[in-house]
Amino acid sequence: KAGVTQTPRYLIKTRGQQVTLSCSPISGHRSVSWYQQTPGQGLQFLFEYFSETQRNKGNFPGRFSGRQFSNSRSEMNVSTLELGDSALYLCASSADFRASGNTIYFGEGSWLTVV
Amino acid sequence: GNSVTQMEGPVTLSEEAFLTINCTYTATGYPSLFWYVQYPGEGLQLLLKATKADDKGSNKGFEATYRKETTSFHLEKGSVQVSDSAVYFCALKIVNTGFQKLVFGTGTRLLVSP
Repeated sequence: KAGVTQTPRYLIKTRGQQVTLSCSPISGHRSVSWYQQTPGQGLQFLFEYFSETQRNKGNFPGRFSGRQFSNSRSEMNVSTLELGDSALYLCASSADFRASGNTIYFGEGSWLTVV
Repeated sequence: GNSVTQMEGPVTLSEEAFLTINCTYTATGYPSLFWYVQYPGEGLQLLLKATKADDKGSNKGFEATYRKETTSFHLEKGSVQVSDSAVYFCALKIVNTGFQKLVFGTGTRLLVSP
């Protein structure tokens, strides 16, 4: 069974540009969430989607957005990039957010560098 | 609120030494608890989990027991290998009626020397 797949793995963008990251969850998983990892702030929750609906959003500015498609694939977008957006962006999937014992699996991440 | 506290790293050990990485949590309700591991340049891999009090999660020689009375989930391994060198994250999972999310500790870097 294929794991969580994220593309692209590495990218460099200029301040002010926008970026779109893509995530394909594990087959059959309908919950997709995104996390940002930085040396200073650690791992922080961005948002979660289930059946194309955003269920929860972390404490990030409106420049960070996402969506989920009917096949559960998800994208996140960051507009007007700032240097501080440089981070590893991790996508995670799980079968059903309602089960407490449900495991969340992570992809390899997308490394974003803003210059 | 919900939070996870991990011991500061790096933890430096010789091969075959005993490992303990402390993790305590604060949570409303009864969260599930996880340990994830991150190797250099990679994403997070699930190491083990426990979903209720007194559960013991185990995998690849690593173990952790969900202790509700001490709100702890310490990671242990009896004999570490050089290949265990990585960053270890303790996390709790919040499940609400409408969503789920993981709250992570700051991570503990483990360095194992031959």
